[in-house]
Amino acid sequence: GAVVSQHPSRVICKSGTSVKIECRSLDFQATTMFWYRQFPKQSLMLMATSNEGSKATYEQGVEKDKFLINHASLTLSTLTVTSAHPEDSSFYICSAPTVNNEQFFGPGTRLTVL
Amino acid sequence: AQSVTQPDIHITVSEGASLELRCNYSYGATPYLFWYVQSPGQGLQLLLKYFSGDTLVQGIKGFEAEFKRSQSSFNLRKPSVHWSDAAEYFCAVGGVMDSNYQLIWGAGTKLIIKP
Repeated sequence: GAVVSQHPSRVICKSGTSVKIECRSLDFQATTMFWYRQFPKQSLMLMATSNEGSKATYEQGVEKDKFLINHASLTLSTLTVTSAHPEDSSFYICSAPTVNNEQFFGPGTRLTVL
Repeated sequence: AQSVTQPDIHITVSEGASLELRCNYSYGATPYLFWYVQSPGQGLQLLLKYFSGDTLVQGIKGFEAEFKRSQSSFNLRKPSVHWSDAAEYFCAVGGVMDSNYQLIWGAGTKLIIKP
């Protein structure tokens, strides 16, 4: 089946720095990708829908300037957490649908902000 | 190894009929269990979750799921489906292993509703 990768799988950074997370569809093209975050023991929360060649669509309550999304190509979307703070520590996961609308998920990125 | 299995890739049911979507898992620690639904072109929506307590959990849109530890299962049910339930359904298992939080997803089951 299709594969979606995320890099890095785990990142630790200092408060105030920015962190970039990549989501790649390895063997298919994805005009749309979804970004989620999840806190332990809590459900997955959709943050935004990334659209290739256009602006991302953010869910209510998600700060656009805080979580920058760039969908530069049909196989790559990036999420940049700007000026990260400890409360941004979370598990970030992306997903991408194929042309048949089958959804494939990345393995997730664990962000820890010190 | 940790895994989540949704044995049915596609399921077709008639509108008004009952539904059961299967989910089996293999997990070495206490699992947190989730069911999500995704309509075409949409992001995931949480249907229900189980962390502890009553093993029969109620979710949104009339769905329920039952955690059966002895069977390592968390099957999703609905007594009467509506055409709007046509979507893809994902079972997920989360938990802490080796001090790291993991989230493991099933491959999904596509639900098709016959008129």
